[in-house]
Amino acid sequence: GQNIDQPTEMTATEGAIVQINCTYQTSGFNGLFWYQQHAGEAPTFLSYNVLDGLEEKGRFSSFLSRSKGYSYLLLKELQMKDSASYLCAVADSNYQLIWGAGTKLIIKP
Amino acid sequence: GAVVSQHPSWVICKSGTSVKIECRSLDFQATTMFWYRQFPKQSLMLMATSNEGSKATYEQGVEKDKFLINHASLTLSTLTVTSAHPEDSSFYICSAREVGRGDYNEQFFGPGTRLTVL
Repeated sequence: GQNIDQPTEMTATEGAIVQINCTYQTSGFNGLFWYQQHAGEAPTFLSYNVLDGLEEKGRFSSFLSRSKGYSYLLLKELQMKDSASYLCAVADSNYQLIWGAGTKLIIKP
Repeated sequence: GAVVSQHPSWVICKSGTSVKIECRSLDFQATTMFWYRQFPKQSLMLMATSNEGSKATYEQGVEKDKFLINHASLTLSTLTVTSAHPEDSSFYICSAREVGRGDYNEQFFGPGTRLTVL
């Protein structure tokens, strides 16, 4: 079957760094997405990885290892507005997105 | 570019009534639209995928006669929840994709519709 695992909840301090991990097992792989979703709102696109390695975009970076079925989202210089759920999603062989359950990130002052 | 709107943003209805939710791509032609449902503290659950001009493909466990999807044009898809019941209360989100739109052919999400069935 297809499966995406990520931690349910994480807590971090404002100004710190946090890494949210995602492991996946899917039928085919056409890229991995990270989305941010604030409570009561729709997801917004953060990053996409299809090749191994690190993609950096401002305070956010995303890493992929296809051989390990593993990705992480790294958030630096955390701000209170970063409190949200972070969703990992993999595009399978049919380009359908398989979604993880999301990681709720709580930022404390 | 790549803005998706949904209407209404929230709706309250009585049990047994039908509710229609519209999803529009405002500045691009969406060859494919997706309908998701999200219960509190859970992830997105794909309900169906629709391509313009053809019948929607429903995910396993989603009743096609209860959740009617119409994708009549490249900018509009509608989801009708027929004979809604309290257990249908949820956050319904649509997304749209156009091949070549966006750097990664990503899905662009509407703001969601919160449905409450009394």
